Amino acid sequence: SQQGEEDPQALSIQEGENATMNCSYKTSINNLQWYRQNSGRGLVHLILIRSNEREKHSGRLRVTLDTSKKSSSLLITASRAADTASYFCATLNQAGTALIFGKGTTLSVSS
Amino acid sequence: NAGVMQNPRHLVRRRGQEARLRCSPMKGHSHVYWYRQLPEEGLKFMVYLQKENIIDESGMPKERFSAEFPKEGPSILRIQQVVRGDSAAYFCASSQGAGADTQYFGPGTRLTVL
Repeated sequence: SQQGEEDPQALSIQEGENATMNCSYKTSINNLQWYRQNSGRGLVHLILIRSNEREKHSGRLRVTLDTSKKSSSLLITASRAADTASYFCATLNQAGTALIFGKGTTLSVSS
Repeated sequence: NAGVMQNPRHLVRRRGQEARLRCSPMKGHSHVYWYRQLPEEGLKFMVYLQKENIIDESGMPKERFSAEFPKEGPSILRIQQVVRGDSAAYFCASSQGAGADTQYFGPGTRLTVL
């Protein structure tokens, strides 16, 4: 079964607004990572949060992790048109050899 | 420090032909991963390799697909006798260490099978 599942599937906002995406997972984790993918491009690593961390910031990004609920959220503050992309959370498989991705949240930011 | 490099970026093959996708990891990285992304889907793991060794190929289709990471040169994902269902974006990632280390992705190879 899928390890990471994001919601919503799609999100449309105006520039300047905040965007929140959520991710749920099923098994225990060492860390959880968020990636961005612009249309037709590869994935860009955004942020990694370890299982013993509850919150992490990087620029306009804020990630939270709740291991008791097996969920994480990615907040993008003061969004820009350039933030338009798909966002994926990923966790390691049981063997620790590969990332398991959800289907992603497609964010559209209009100016 | 160049990132992960993949070539070709776009590849068109007719049914029955072979497709060879290449991946050069980031400098200093000895762990390589291949993922496949179908339209409107997330990435699905295929195989994990270290130099000259396949560590985990649990995501590889049983037939027609193979991967290698030789001592010298790039990692190669090979698809024999391609079918239309193989059309997808294939991404390579590399990491410095195994497991929990951050994986850095290449731009992908978009394979179209006619």
